This record gives sequence, structure tokens and C-alpha cells, in this order.
Amino acid sequence: AQTVTQSQPEMSVQEAETVTLSCTYDTSENNYYLFWYKQPPSRQMILVIRQEAYKQQNATENRFSVNFQKAAKSFSLKISDSQLGDTAMYFCAFMKLQTSGSRLTFGEGTQLTVNP
Amino acid sequence: DAGVTQSPTHLIKTRGQQVTLRCSPKSGHDTVSWYQQALGQGPQFIFQYYEEEERQRGNFPDRFSGHQFPNYSSELNVNALLLGDSALYLCASSRTSGYTDTQYFGPGTRLTVL
Repeated sequence: AQTVTQSQPEMSVQEAETVTLSCTYDTSENNYYLFWYKQPPSRQMILVIRQEAYKQQNATENRFSVNFQKAAKSFSLKISDSQLGDTAMYFCAFMKLQTSGSRLTFGEGTQLTVNP
Repeated sequence: DAGVTQSPTHLIKTRGQQVTLRCSPKSGHDTVSWYQQALGQGPQFIFQYYEEEERQRGNFPDRFSGHQFPNYSSELNVNALLLGDSALYLCASSRTSGYTDTQYFGPGTRLTVL
């Protein structure tokens, strides 16, 4: 079974600064996806970024980028130029690739607060 | 393009009752997954439906059951409700073409069991 660990329950950052959220995972699989989702107070789970394990290049989406270290089983999220709207719970998630259906395994989350 | 929708938004039930939650997937998606998120925790996978069949199931008792309709919408049923079933129930949809693709979530249904 896969496990996902987020070791930072809470983090805070000043507006316009950069922050990095950590995530490690444990798996024996070789083909999988990794995701970061954000969940603001509205409770809607929103996809932030996706990384395919077979790709060496780190994924980027505007101000969001990841540092994917497959051998170390590490998948951190960097948020540049933090904005007040980035305040949310951030979840790291793992998905094994298989044809019989794929489930997301989530970490416990990191609460990020962006201060003005 | 409508995203994933869920109904109702909130629900209050008493112990022992039964509840049905509904989900309509994003346009073009054919797979629906259900998750339970207790307060302060990450979501836990309940099950996934594809082609009107349960394709995968997480570690949840048989009190949790589901259904998928020909239009790809889905229902989650919970029987004999317990206080511990109080949670946010999230539906996610995706497209299956070989492998299941990225899952997109609805706004959730907040279930309170008294």
C-alpha cells in the first residue's frame, strides 16, 4: 500500500514571498502520478499541479512548481509571489497507474496562511 | 462547461438512518470516485465507478454502497448511519482511456449525524 506524508501541519508566508511545502511518499510502483490539490475555506478541492513519474522534467503551472525527486520519493511544491488567495489547506496525493481503476491516496495536509 | 456537481450541500441525519448523496461528473468524464473527509484530515477513498460497475473499493464497510447511471452520474448510499460517518463527502470525476486520468472534485456534501 502507498503512503503519503506531509510533515508540516502549518506554514505561513508573507505576501509576495516564496514558500515550499514538503511531501514524501512510499511506494514500490514505477508508474504513477503525483498531485498537489488545494482546499480553501470553501472546501472545494482544486487541482494545483500534476507530475507524471516517468517525466524527469519538473511540472510548472504559473506561480506553482514542483521539485520531484523520484529516487528520494520526494515531491515538494514551491509557490512563488504568494498571494492572499493562496491561503488554503494543501494536500499532496499519489495515484498508481493501472487499468483496473485508480484511487488517490492523500497526505494529511499542510495549512498555508499568506499574511498581508 | 459545467464542473462536477454534488447535491445536497448539507445534510443532517440521526443515527440509524439512511442517506443518499448525488454526483454529476464533469462533461466528457465517465468515471466517478467517492471520498470521505473527516474534519482536519485528508480524504479517504471509498470506491470508484466506471461503466456502471464498482471498479475499486477502499477500506469501508458494506454500509457504504453506490451506483452509477448510464449518464455517468452516481449516488453514494450509507445505511445505518453512525456518529462517525459525519464528514465531508467528496465526489471526483475523471476520464478513463486505458488508465484513469486526473480527478476533478465537486464542492462536497457535508453530512452531520446526530
